[in-house]
Amino acid sequence: GAVVSQHPSWVICKSGTSVKIECRSLDFQATTMFWYRQFPKQSLMLMATSNEGSKATYEQGVEKDKFLINHASLTLSTLTVTSAHPEDSSFYICSARPRASVNEQFFGPGTRLTVL
Amino acid sequence: GENVEQHPSTLSVQEGDSAVIKCTYSDSASNYFPWYKQELGKRPQLIIDIRSNVGEKKDQRIAVTLNKTAKHFSLHITETQPEDSAVYFCAARVFNKFYFGSGTKLNVKP
Repeated sequence: GAVVSQHPSWVICKSGTSVKIECRSLDFQATTMFWYRQFPKQSLMLMATSNEGSKATYEQGVEKDKFLINHASLTLSTLTVTSAHPEDSSFYICSARPRASVNEQFFGPGTRLTVL
Repeated sequence: GENVEQHPSTLSVQEGDSAVIKCTYSDSASNYFPWYKQELGKRPQLIIDIRSNVGEKKDQRIAVTLNKTAKHFSLHITETQPEDSAVYFCAARVFNKFYFGSGTKLNVKP
């Protein structure tokens, strides 16, 4: 149990285009989903916290107009990187927290974004 | 937000030896401290965690200690094995958010 999927696993796009990444909890309801960014050989940097049915809260320094987050259901959150630039190239990883849990979070496999 | 620092960034040990990774945090409101193991190309996996009302927790070869006064916590791995080689991250949870340390690359030499 507690499986989180992400789609796509990797994507290459041209500068200026938008890319949508999906995060799904497959066998549990997730009231909260987290979006992280991970640079090579570096840690996970929390970008935003998304709660089902409400607006996401963004960490300081993360542009909410650039990284649009939608948490439309208890099993799906999406991250859209708008007007992508090469510096947005990174590994984006989501995690989902089960409804019944306060501390647990289960990670998705991540999405490798490359912006040309 | 919370600031979590982790040391060392790399750690190389001989198989069978112990490994210790240390983290500090800044926000006294942090109340939950998980440790994750991330193998190359894979997602982070929770290996052990500790709540703020506990000083120590052990699970087979893995143990975690927490010093709330000093705001630091540590991961101890005993009798290390080559399959323990991975990147380990500490994290602190404060107000529903998780903040991660910078990671420790552990290499266990056979």
